[in-house]
Amino acid sequence: QSVLTQPPSASGTPGQRVTISCSGSSSNVGGYTVDWYQHLPGTAPKLLIYTNNQRPSGVPDRFSGSKSGTSASLAISGLQSEDEADYYCAAWDDRVNGPIFGGGTKLTVL
Amino acid sequence: EVQLVQSGEEVKKPGESLKISCKGSGYSFTTYWIAWVRQMPGKGLEWMGIIYPAESDTRYTPSFQGRVTISVDKSIATAYLQWSSLKASDTAMYYCARGGTYSYSVIDMWGQGTRVTVSS
Repeated sequence: QSVLTQPPSASGTPGQRVTISCSGSSSNVGGYTVDWYQHLPGTAPKLLIYTNNQRPSGVPDRFSGSKSGTSASLAISGLQSEDEADYYCAAWDDRVNGPIFGGGTKLTVL
Repeated sequence: EVQLVQSGEEVKKPGESLKISCKGSGYSFTTYWIAWVRQMPGKGLEWMGIIYPAESDTRYTPSFQGRVTISVDKSIATAYLQWSSLKASDTAMYYCARGGTYSYSVIDMWGQGTRVTVSS
């Protein structure tokens, strides 16, 4: 059980907007920036968002990130079938003195 | 092409040793961090540790400290993850990944993964 709590699943229909939450504490999300990764089945994970809300080059602007206090969110607008994947948040954690991942959220596009 | 290429699938018995590799190419290997991430079957990603090839500065997540060894050979731009005595619970997919473009813990490139199966 990760100290960064994500809902195990989320779903939406094509074109819809979905959000995935990542809840932590002052020792991780509350004190540090949050990153998000997309993991498609059978492939290597991919960086989607870094430093709370920054998109690497090549990531569509349909993906956005935000953080408030000890929680962070990933929003996906204009949902597409190829967005069906597992999504992980990540942040530094003082208790392990290193980065940790959230438990992951499986997104299903209905 | 900038990439990390990992060694192939391994099937081992409990108690055996193992060393898997991750070769970087297309970029300055020594000036980026290399992390190792585990994904057990049906589970999420777990950060294992990270190494800075230029100095072999190595940091482990506490739960992996003493259970694995992360090392690097700068001369061939290759990082390693090794076990001295495997357990069935080490069965997982292992990814190497690059950090340091944005910050040391933000991974901007991943290897293709090495599947390790430990079974008697």
